[in-house]
Amino acid sequence: EVQLVESGGGLVKPGGSLRLSCAASGFTFSSYSMNWVRQAPGKGLEWVSSISSSSSYIYYADSVKGRFTISRDNAKNSLYLQMNSLRAEDTAVYYCARESNITPGDYWGQGTLVTVSS
Amino acid sequence: DIQMTQSPSTLSASVGDRVTITCRASQSISSWLAWYQQKPGKAPKLLIYKASSLESGVPSRFSGSGSGTEFTLTISSLQPDDFATYYCQQYNSYPWAFGQGTKVEIK
Repeated sequence: EVQLVESGGGLVKPGGSLRLSCAASGFTFSSYSMNWVRQAPGKGLEWVSSISSSSSYIYYADSVKGRFTISRDNAKNSLYLQMNSLRAEDTAVYYCARESNITPGDYWGQGTLVTVSS
Repeated sequence: DIQMTQSPSTLSASVGDRVTITCRASQSISSWLAWYQQKPGKAPKLLIYKASSLESGVPSRFSGSGSGTEFTLTISSLQPDDFATYYCQQYNSYPWAFGQGTKVEIK
């Protein structure tokens, strides 16, 4: 069974940093691109970042470029999102999602809440 | 960047109704469009990919159509479990983008 489990969310002050993790199981993690998608409270979905299976290709939304860094460790079946210079508008539930060659997100984690507030 | 516009934002319908949601892209995305269903407090669930392909396990009352810039999601006979928010997503080119969502409410 495919499982994606996010962790690392919490309360952080503006300007602070946080590192999210997504632990994958039930599939060959190293064969799939992965994505982070976020959802601010009461708002819609926003794509954040993508990373290819071997980390060769990385993309970011303009809203996080230069502040967030996506990475992965295929030996540990884990995806990461390093978030620096956090702002109030980064407050959201952050989801990791598996991307296949024909679908952008066939499996999603349950999400982890990041709250940026003083 | 490609913008995705869904309509309507909210839809009131009854069980058994045929429901159609529209998604428009600001430029051609070929058939690289997905539809998701999301319920409160839950992660999105993939329903349709490549505009018209039904994800495994999704009921056949859901269907998708369109290509280029105009797409539709149709629920042929609305069921109680279908009251939720629906999002389209383009994955033709980065940055990927979602529509703003359509909330399907009980009439």
